[in-house]
Amino acid sequence: EAGVAQSPRYKIIEKRQSVAFWCNPISGHATLYWYQQILGQGPKLLIQFQNNGVVDDSQLPKDRFSAERLKGVDSTLKIQPAKLEDSAVYLCASSFKESSYEQYFGPGTRLTVT
Amino acid sequence: GQQLNQSPQSMFIQEGEDVSMNCTSSSIFNTWLWYKQDPGEGPVLLIALYKAGELTSNGRLTAQFGITRKDSFLNISASIPSDVGIYFCAGPNPFKAAGNKLTFGGGTRVLVKP
Repeated sequence: EAGVAQSPRYKIIEKRQSVAFWCNPISGHATLYWYQQILGQGPKLLIQFQNNGVVDDSQLPKDRFSAERLKGVDSTLKIQPAKLEDSAVYLCASSFKESSYEQYFGPGTRLTVT
Repeated sequence: GQQLNQSPQSMFIQEGEDVSMNCTSSSIFNTWLWYKQDPGEGPVLLIALYKAGELTSNGRLTAQFGITRKDSFLNISASIPSDVGIYFCAGPNPFKAAGNKLTFGGGTRVLVKP
């Protein structure tokens, strides 16, 4: 079974630029999550999708971050404009159903904002 | 701030040693999860605990769900070099009425003794 795929793996941008990350969850997983992991910390949830609907985006900085999962499979996370403090690893995870606590993570995208 | 506190923050292991780490919270958790993260990769689920007092093993790893529901422990027996990494505990946010949003601890970094 293929795991969660993410791209790109690394991205370096200047502040005020825009960036987008892509995630393809495990086949058949209805629930998709985006996490932000700052160096030295545990992952922090940004947004959770159930199929193509948003379940929780309470910790998403909506003035600059947006995410979508239009067809209920792939998802994109965008930052516009980026700030220095957005430098982090952005992890995508999926689970079979919304009630499952067992989440499977992709390798992440390491973003550096200069 | 984070609700899960992991101890120790870092530790050195020597091959063959048994190591222990724990995770505590001021709030009751009904599920505990233990993940391991290798450099440049996403967290990988090791063990899931669903019942107070539960003791579950996965190879050389053993995790316990504390009786008070406010702590969990992870033990690694006969450590080997590939045990190096960051170990995270996680659980569903106790302040959320529904949903499976996970809160992660700050991690325990396991390093090899020079």
